[in-house]
Amino acid sequence: EADIYQTPRYLVIGTGKKITLECSQTMGHDKMYWYQQDPGMELHLIHYSYGVNSTEKGDLSSESTVSRIRTEHFPLTLESARPSHTSQYLCASSEYGFSNSPLHFGNGTRLTVT
Amino acid sequence: AQKITQTQPGMFVQEKEAVTLDCTYDTSDQSYGLFWYKQPSSGEMIFLIYQGSYDEQNATEGRYSLNFQKARKSANLVISASQLGDSAMYFCAMRGPPTGANSKLTFGKGITLSVRP
Repeated sequence: EADIYQTPRYLVIGTGKKITLECSQTMGHDKMYWYQQDPGMELHLIHYSYGVNSTEKGDLSSESTVSRIRTEHFPLTLESARPSHTSQYLCASSEYGFSNSPLHFGNGTRLTVT
Repeated sequence: AQKITQTQPGMFVQEKEAVTLDCTYDTSDQSYGLFWYKQPSSGEMIFLIYQGSYDEQNATEGRYSLNFQKARKSANLVISASQLGDSAMYFCAMRGPPTGANSKLTFGKGITLSVRP
């Protein structure tokens, strides 16, 4: 059973605020990912990490930033939130980078920027 | 580059009947994995089933089976004996071999399934 946690579950915030979306996993997985998903749409990779002190940008350009100081923790930060950032953000982890290793997802954070 | 195509409009199925959700893919990799995820209205992504490109048998997990036709590059999900709780969005996804330090999961656009009582 995968144990990956995201907080907050829902967030409504005003334009210009700085926010951090938390993601933690207790499985010791090296590979972690952030996906962005608009309602009813596909998931787009925005950041990933293959271990401590490693972060890479994904396919979809994002104004957010991430950090990976500890294996279990992969927070995502928006320095100045805008209405265009309104979306669902899903964090995931994987035990291996091989093609047969599924990603395990957290419950997501639904962000609304007013 | 990897590409997943899911083109079915919203699907409807009667409770207790079987339903097939279509997925085609494109890749130049020889080794890859195909996955199906379920996303209920609550938003979480639930891993359902996996099929490896070299697997000769179709994958099965309980009421889920994957109809893998490699030559046609299709990986359709079959749900048998549908239940009301199966109503959700379903995503097909692909993962290639590790390139450099990582291999990402590429998703299709998803299919909405509604189960009627």
